[in-house]
Amino acid sequence: DAGVTQSPTHLIKTRGQQVTLRCSPISGHKSVSWYQQVLGQGPQFIFQYYEKEERGRGNFPDRFSARQFPNYSSELNVNALLLGDSALYLCASSFGPQETQYFGPGTRLLVL
Amino acid sequence: QQQVKQSPQSLIVQKGGISIINCAYENTAFDYFPWYQQFPGKGPALLIAIRPDVSEKKEGRFTISFNKSAKQFSLHIMDSQPGDSATYFCAASVTGNQFYFGTGTSLTVIP
Repeated sequence: DAGVTQSPTHLIKTRGQQVTLRCSPISGHKSVSWYQQVLGQGPQFIFQYYEKEERGRGNFPDRFSARQFPNYSSELNVNALLLGDSALYLCASSFGPQETQYFGPGTRLLVL
Repeated sequence: QQQVKQSPQSLIVQKGGISIINCAYENTAFDYFPWYQQFPGKGPALLIAIRPDVSEKKEGRFTISFNKSAKQFSLHIMDSQPGDSATYFCAASVTGNQFYFGTGTSLTVIP
């Protein structure tokens, strides 16, 4: 079975631009969470979605938004990019919000 | 503030030795404590997890020890191998809610 997949793998943007990151969960999983991992730090929670509804939001500005589609895939959008948004963005899926989370390989975003 | 504090930041162990990584938390509502292993360029992979109703859980060479009264938990890697060289993260959550991760421990196992 395929694991969590994310696209693109790498991305370079300039300040002020907008970016969309995509995540496909493990087949059968209905919950998707997004994390930001800055180099040398642990992942920081951004959002959790379950059955297309937002179930949780971390301490991130409104420039960050996300959605989950009927097929349970998800997109993370970041507007007005700042240099500090440079990080590895991780998607994790689980069967339900209370189940074990499995991480994808991440999208590495560099903002210049 | 950091919800989960992890130490040490880095660790060097000889092959065959025991690697020990420690974490501490403050929120007594946390009821799920996983450990993740991350290799460069990869996402974190779940290694082992524990709930506070048990004090120890062992899976192969990996053991979690949990001290509820001290609000601490640790990962022990027995017979450490060069292939164990990676970054290890502890985490904690209230079931169904967001995970809080430690800052990570970079483990190097010397052959």
